[in-house]
Amino acid sequence: GAVVSQHPSRVICKSGTSVKIECRSLDFQATTMFWYRQFPKKSLMLMATSNEGSKATYEQGVEKDKFLINHASLTLSTLTVTSAHPEDSSFYICSASPIRGEGTDTQYFGPGTRLTVL
Amino acid sequence: LAKTTQPISMDSYEGQEVNITCSHNNIATNDYITWYQQFPSQGPRFIIQGYKTKVTNEVASLFIPADRKSSTLSLPRVSLSDTAVYYCLVAGRNTGFQKLVFGTGTRLLVSP
Repeated sequence: GAVVSQHPSRVICKSGTSVKIECRSLDFQATTMFWYRQFPKKSLMLMATSNEGSKATYEQGVEKDKFLINHASLTLSTLTVTSAHPEDSSFYICSASPIRGEGTDTQYFGPGTRLTVL
Repeated sequence: LAKTTQPISMDSYEGQEVNITCSHNNIATNDYITWYQQFPSQGPRFIIQGYKTKVTNEVASLFIPADRKSSTLSLPRVSLSDTAVYYCLVAGRNTGFQKLVFGTGTRLLVSP
């Protein structure tokens, strides 16, 4: 149990285009999901907290207009990188926790999405 | 959020027991300690979680002293496939879904 998927696993796009990354909890419901980015040989950096049915909470320094987050259901959150530039190239990872009562508060992570902006 | 400190890297050989210690001096009363494993180009994988004393599952043990200011992840008889980065995190439970702050992690290299 507690499986989180991401789609796509890797994407290459041209500079200036927008890219959408999906994060799904496959066997549990999650009111809260988290989005991270990770540069090579570095640790995960939290970007934002995605709340079902409400606005996301962004970490300091993360542009909310550039990284659009939508949490439309209890099993799906999407991250859209708008007007992508080469410096946005990174490994994007989401995580989710089962709703209290269905399991622990442990966060389970998706497999990640490798974004390359040319 | 409690800050954690771990060794940057560790080396071991196949079949040995590996102990990775994490310091979290400012851990709060309601914080739990969770360890994750990450392979290159993959998301972190949950290993073990504990609050105090000792927790054991099929892959690892977690030792937490009485003052809870540190914890030790113990991997018995490591294999080459245990080469990965190991992260120690502390966060509260039952207080809402707290965001996790990842430290540097410990890069474990297991050699033949």
